[in-house]
Amino acid sequence: AQSVTQPDIHITVSEGASLELRCNYSYGATPYLFWYVQSPGQGLQLLLKYFSGDTLVQGIKGFEAEFKRSQSSFNLRKPSVHWSDAAEYFCAVQGTYKYIFGTGTRLKVLA
Amino acid sequence: DTGVSQDPRHKITKRGQNVTFRCDPISEHNRLYWYRQTLGQGPEFLTYFQNEAQLEKSRLLSDRFSAERPKGSFSTLEIQRTEQGDSAMYLCASSLEVLEQYFGPGTRLTVT
Repeated sequence: AQSVTQPDIHITVSEGASLELRCNYSYGATPYLFWYVQSPGQGLQLLLKYFSGDTLVQGIKGFEAEFKRSQSSFNLRKPSVHWSDAAEYFCAVQGTYKYIFGTGTRLKVLA
Repeated sequence: DTGVSQDPRHKITKRGQNVTFRCDPISEHNRLYWYRQTLGQGPEFLTYFQNEAQLEKSRLLSDRFSAERPKGSFSTLEIQRTEQGDSAMYLCASSLEVLEQYFGPGTRLTVT
């Protein structure tokens, strides 16, 4: 069955520190993978996507993610977190057409 | 490109009432999706349209739920005889073929 696991429900980092959010997926074929960010009461904004090719993908707002097929992972990283990055982050895998989302990781940024 | 829009943004209704939400996708997008998101969870797929054809409905979409996309443009999601368990954020997304989905701001439904 297709699924996405985000092991960390909450993560707290200090402003300026590096960040890594974990995502593991289960999918039979080559996955299309996505990271979205959601601010409170808002919709989802696409940060980056992986379809094929280079396994390190760059996104908006200084985020990047690395696809590792052997580990079934697609972890999101940012070298230096800003206070405005505080939000909820969702990893998703695309099935035939619908997305399967993880339960999200809520990021808190300390000043 | 004005993005995906949804109306209303918030809806409070009493149990047993009917509600209808509207989604306007990005104009050139032929695919439209509805998801539901409850507190502390990721969005869950409800239904999918390719142009005006509804191609899949999740088992989450009980017979009290109906969705339409007349003429392959905007879409409506209606919930009849609302229940407290229907309280959630209803998200609409659109895409061009199987490319990435763009989400609207959502409609937050509260059933009292």
